[in-house]
Amino acid sequence: NAGVTQTPKFRVLKTGQSMTLLCAQDMNHEYMYWYRQDPGMGLRLIHYSVGEGTTAKGEVPDGYNVSRLKKQNFLLGLESAAPSQTSVYFCASSYSRSRGDYNEQFFGPGTRLTVL
Amino acid sequence: AQTVTQSQPEMSVQEAETVTLSCTYDTSESNYYLFWYKQPPSRQMILVIRQEAYKQQNATENRFSVNFQKAAKSFSLKISDSQLGDTAMYFCAFMKHPLINSGNTPLVFGKGTRLSVIA
Repeated sequence: NAGVTQTPKFRVLKTGQSMTLLCAQDMNHEYMYWYRQDPGMGLRLIHYSVGEGTTAKGEVPDGYNVSRLKKQNFLLGLESAAPSQTSVYFCASSYSRSRGDYNEQFFGPGTRLTVL
Repeated sequence: AQTVTQSQPEMSVQEAETVTLSCTYDTSESNYYLFWYKQPPSRQMILVIRQEAYKQQNATENRFSVNFQKAAKSFSLKISDSQLGDTAMYFCAFMKHPLINSGNTPLVFGKGTRLSVIA
């Protein structure tokens, strides 16, 4: 199993450009998450999805859109990139269980995005 | 809303010594999970240890143990016999207990503590 993969690993954009970050998982997880990590800020939740076709906003959703058309993929889009979106982006996924037990979130390797 | 505070931006420890990383949190929830994640220079997020709030016994994983004080809302990580490979950023994180039929809820992270193990 590849686990959680992210594409691309690095990217440099100019202000105003658009791009899509792809997260893929092969563990048949229902839940998927996008976080951003900034120096001195820890990881903050951007958007998340509890299943195919459903998404929800997290703590810092402005300037981002997401889609979950397939269970194994979770896309994060930047329509008009800004320097404030320079960050490291992490995707994570986990199972959902009807008993409400905890399930570990598995993280991807991250994407370093620089917006000039 | 939940908040997680790590008051030590940086720490260092001599190899083979013991170090404790601090974490406090604020929540009105009565049942939840707490975690410590390790992020080495490779950037990969690695789960170190987990504590369930309704369990009084402190979690341990080999050289890693926690001191969970629920009333004080404190959750510190102790690393014994520190090794050079322990050099990393360490994040404390909180998760509300999943509701039945709802599964996981997102993690809330602290700002991290950069730990350096010195030979």
